[in-house]
Amino acid sequence: KNEVEQSPQNLTAQEGEFITINCSYSVGISALHWLQQHPGGGIVSLFMLSSGKKKHGRLIATINIQEKHSSLHITASHPRDSAVYICAALPVNNNDMRFGAGTRLTVKP
Amino acid sequence: KAGVTQTPRYLIKTRGQQVTLSCSPISGHRSVSWYQQTPGQGLQFLFEYFSETQRNKGNFPGRFSGRQFSNSRSEMNVSTLELGDSALYLCASSLAEVGKLFFGSGTQLSVL
Repeated sequence: KNEVEQSPQNLTAQEGEFITINCSYSVGISALHWLQQHPGGGIVSLFMLSSGKKKHGRLIATINIQEKHSSLHITASHPRDSAVYICAALPVNNNDMRFGAGTRLTVKP
Repeated sequence: KAGVTQTPRYLIKTRGQQVTLSCSPISGHRSVSWYQQTPGQGLQFLFEYFSETQRNKGNFPGRFSGRQFSNSRSEMNVSTLELGDSALYLCASSLAEVGKLFFGSGTQLSVL
């Protein structure tokens, strides 16, 4: 079983919809990253969080340390949000980053 | 401020050869980490350097090695290439030991 599980694997939404991507992990972590990867390979770090909630524009990331769960929300989704979203857990006392398999999001106009 | 620069962008090698990839971090960033991405395995952590010291290594064979120089630039080397080493190799830099990651565009390695 993968130490970092993401759901759903694939997600198709209509423009304007509210999107939620979930990430569960089994290791104790010092931080969790949400990454965005567009076709062509470039990866952008969206958030790094270790507790609570962070917001940047239409993106919101939350984490519940006790439940070992994080969510990435996109409000008012847009076709340019189409990408693969990856969560990555940084274990405590170890920088051996563990990655989820990614969620492929397609937003249709 | 320039981003993370990886060279070369594309590389084609044959089995048994060795390859060296380069990563120049954002100025002032002291942590550089390397990752392998394949369609089958997704993203996997290779190793991480901070101030010229390898702090962690992922579960890869000894054919994969790296180093970091005093100017924080990093190289990774893969010896005795195998077909399965074909992948996108990404590096990322961060300001602190645990910090936001800034990724390079990657080196696409094809082993024939």
